[in-house]
This record gives sequence, structure tokens and C-alpha cells, in this order.
Amino acid sequence: NAGVMQNPRHLVRRRGQEARLRCSPMKGHSHVYWYRQLPEEGLKFMVYLQKENIIDESGMPKERFSAEFPKEGPSILRIQQVVRGDSAAYFCASSPLGFGVLAEAFFGQGTRLTVV
Amino acid sequence: GNSVTQMEGPVTLSEEAFLTINCTYTATGYPSLFWYVQYPGEGLQLLLKATKADDKGSNKGFEATYRKETTSFHLEKGSVQVSDSAVYFCALNGNAGGTSYGKLTFGQGTILTVHP
Repeated sequence: NAGVMQNPRHLVRRRGQEARLRCSPMKGHSHVYWYRQLPEEGLKFMVYLQKENIIDESGMPKERFSAEFPKEGPSILRIQQVVRGDSAAYFCASSPLGFGVLAEAFFGQGTRLTVV
Repeated sequence: GNSVTQMEGPVTLSEEAFLTINCTYTATGYPSLFWYVQYPGEGLQLLLKATKADDKGSNKGFEATYRKETTSFHLEKGSVQVSDSAVYFCALNGNAGGTSYGKLTFGQGTILTVHP
């Protein structure tokens, strides 16, 4: 059972370009979460998605950022018109469907975005 | 809102020394508490967790006890190894009993370096 797969691992974009980050959750997981880690800081929650639905986007910047998790294919975090301040590591996590506190979220290796 | 505060780092120890990394939290209700470890260039791995007061999470020689009276979840290890060098994150999930297991609030991380 492969883990959470993120690609690319490293992404370089010029200011004003679009960045597209992909996340394939673990098999059987229908919940996906995106986090951003700025240099020397902890991870900050951005958005929580289930298949075809955004459940909680309270951590998403209001502009330029969007996320989706289509019925087929990976979850995508899209950043339009990138700026230098978007340079960070972006982590995806997935968890299984279910209730209770025993399930855990599994993290991918992250995509390190550098805006030049 | 929820918050997690970790002791300032970095922490530098000699091999076989005793490790404590302090973590305190603020949350309403009864959160679940976690320690994650991030090795260089990697994603986060769950190290241990505790889901209710007085629970002790343990793994790979690391331990942490959920102390509701002091709102703390300090990480300890009796004898560290060079291979324990990593960044350690304390985190909480305030949605106990709900479905958003992956919506976590993280501390800022503590860098641990262990010398031979």
C-alpha cells in the first residue's frame, strides 16, 4: 500500500506564473488535507477536502489559491500568479473515512515551491 | 482558538542523553494530542499520540503523557541516538469524535541534533 504521493517534489516558478501541486492519497482514503510550512515555522492548515467537496477552507488565502479533489484523480492545490512569499513546503495528508479519534492522518513528503 | 506552544530550540544533546521537549496547548473540549517527527527532506511521520487525559503514547523509546490539568504533552526519551536527529512537532486535533482527523494545529517545531 503506497503512502501519500505528492508531485513534484520540487517546483520552481517565476513570479506571476501558476503553480500546480498534486496529491494522491493513500488507497482507501477519501479525506485530503493541505498544509503550508513556511521556513522555520510549523505547518499551517489550509484546506480539507473530500471527494468533489471542500469541507473546510478556513486556512486558505482569499485570493490566488484554490484546491480541488475530483471524483477521479489526485487532489490539486493551485496557486495563481505566484509571489515570492508563496515559497514554502506544501504538505498533503490523507485519512480514511470514518468516525472517532483513532484514525490518523498520513503525510506525503511535500512539494517545495520556490518562487524566483 | 486552538494553539500549541513548544519549547524553543534548537536542542543539542550527546548520544545517550535524556531528552525532554516541552509542549503545552490551548483548546476547548478534549483534543487528541500528537507528536510528529520530520527527518531532513522528508514529510511528517506520526511518532505517538494520546486521545484522552492521562493516556501515555509511546513509540521507539519516546513517551508523552496527556496531562489535562497542566494542558501539556511533553515528549521524553531516556537515551537519544544520533538517528533521532530531526525536527519534532507537537500537534492537536480539536475535533475529537468528529471526522476531520487530519485538521491539526501544530507547534512551531523543535530541532533536535544528537552528537556521537
